[in-house]
Amino acid sequence: ETGVTQTPRHLVMGMTNKKSLKCEQHLGHNAMYWYKQSAKKPLELMFVYNFKEQTENNSVPSRFSPECPNSSHLFLHLHTLQPEDSALYLCASSQDVAQPQHFGDGTRLSIL
Amino acid sequence: AQTVTQSQPEMSVQEAETVTLSCTYDTSENNYYLFWYKQPPSRQMILVIRQEAYKQQNATENRFSVNFQKAAKSFSLKISDSQLGDTAKYFCAFWGSGGSNYKLTFGKGTLLTVNP
Repeated sequence: ETGVTQTPRHLVMGMTNKKSLKCEQHLGHNAMYWYKQSAKKPLELMFVYNFKEQTENNSVPSRFSPECPNSSHLFLHLHTLQPEDSALYLCASSQDVAQPQHFGDGTRLSIL
Repeated sequence: AQTVTQSQPEMSVQEAETVTLSCTYDTSENNYYLFWYKQPPSRQMILVIRQEAYKQQNATENRFSVNFQKAAKSFSLKISDSQLGDTAKYFCAFWGSGGSNYKLTFGKGTLLTVNP
């Protein structure tokens, strides 16, 4: 039990579909993050939320839309994705942005 | 911008032996943190060890220790008495307290296989 839970574990979707990834943390942390992990590339930070406020958008295309309704939940809404968006999407949380991050198991996303 | 380089895409070691994973980084900042994360085949990313740049003493966590050379911008990870459960991809990461607020910058990772 890592304290950071991501659902679903696997997702296959067509380019015209709309789906959402969910992340939940039970650690009482104030900061949450979305990362994209592609093969043979470093982890790419996508979004940062600190106390429910988005503090970082790392030039992510608008087809990815994050939502943070409270400090325990983080969503990534997906719409009209491209094949190159196929990757492992990792959620992380930390007590504050200067503390080590705890990661979830990730959602393996495949775009047909 | 900060960069993190892990020059060894793959490594292997025999069980019970010692292995060192290398990491170099580039930054103009003076205060920052460095991390090693481990990602086993089950995909969960786990923090292994953390080093504050202002500390001269190298961090240690049981069988894991680092060799932090600030002037050389080097941050290697040594795993002693390697165990089969150490098989994983290891990522070096940099966190800066200045221009890179809130960003962990990761290297591409080193896939370590511990052989029986």
